[in-house]
Amino acid sequence: EAGVAQSPRYKIIEKRQSVAFWCNPISGHATLYWYQQILGQGPKLLIQFQNNGVVDDSQLPKDRFSAERLKGVDSTLKIQPAKLEDSAVYLCASSLDTASGGGYTFGSGTRLTVV
Amino acid sequence: GQQLNQSPQSMFIQEGEDVSMNCTSSSIFNTWLWYKQDPGEGPVLLIALYKAGELTSNGRLTAQFGTTRKDSFLNISASIPSDVGIYFCAGQDGGSNYKLTFGKGTLLTVNP
Repeated sequence: EAGVAQSPRYKIIEKRQSVAFWCNPISGHATLYWYQQILGQGPKLLIQFQNNGVVDDSQLPKDRFSAERLKGVDSTLKIQPAKLEDSAVYLCASSLDTASGGGYTFGSGTRLTVV
Repeated sequence: GQQLNQSPQSMFIQEGEDVSMNCTSSSIFNTWLWYKQDPGEGPVLLIALYKAGELTSNGRLTAQFGTTRKDSFLNISASIPSDVGIYFCAGQDGGSNYKLTFGKGTLLTVNP
């Protein structure tokens, strides 16, 4: 089966600019996650969708970050305006359902550099 | 919030040696997972553990779910150069929408 697709792979922007990332999960996976991975750290959950509804966005900086999953398939994550500390790899993952345990599949990520 | 302490932070070993790494938590998890991340890629699941005391193997990898449910261990036997990468533990809490909490990772370098 095809994996989780993410684009772009790399993005360099200046601070205060805006940026958007796109994710296409594995077909049939109802649950979609966005994680932020800062260099030298483990991934940190930003937002979790179940179909097109938000299940958990408690760690999403809502003053600058937004995400949507229209039609319960693809998802976009936006940052506006970006700060230097947003430099990180943004990973998208999907699973069949919320309680899939080890059933997460991660994409290759988008590496964002804010200068 | 929940925190995972993963150790060691990094390891530099010779090919053929065995490796051990562990993860401890301030709170209980229902599931422990071990991932490997290669440069420029997302984490890939190695082993999933679902029950306290469970010992599971995947080839040269063996992982254990601690009896207190607050820790887990990963062992790699007879390391080879392609074992190089960052290994992450992750705990899954059944009460928080099953989200994963990750450790900071162990960077493994294998000298041929």
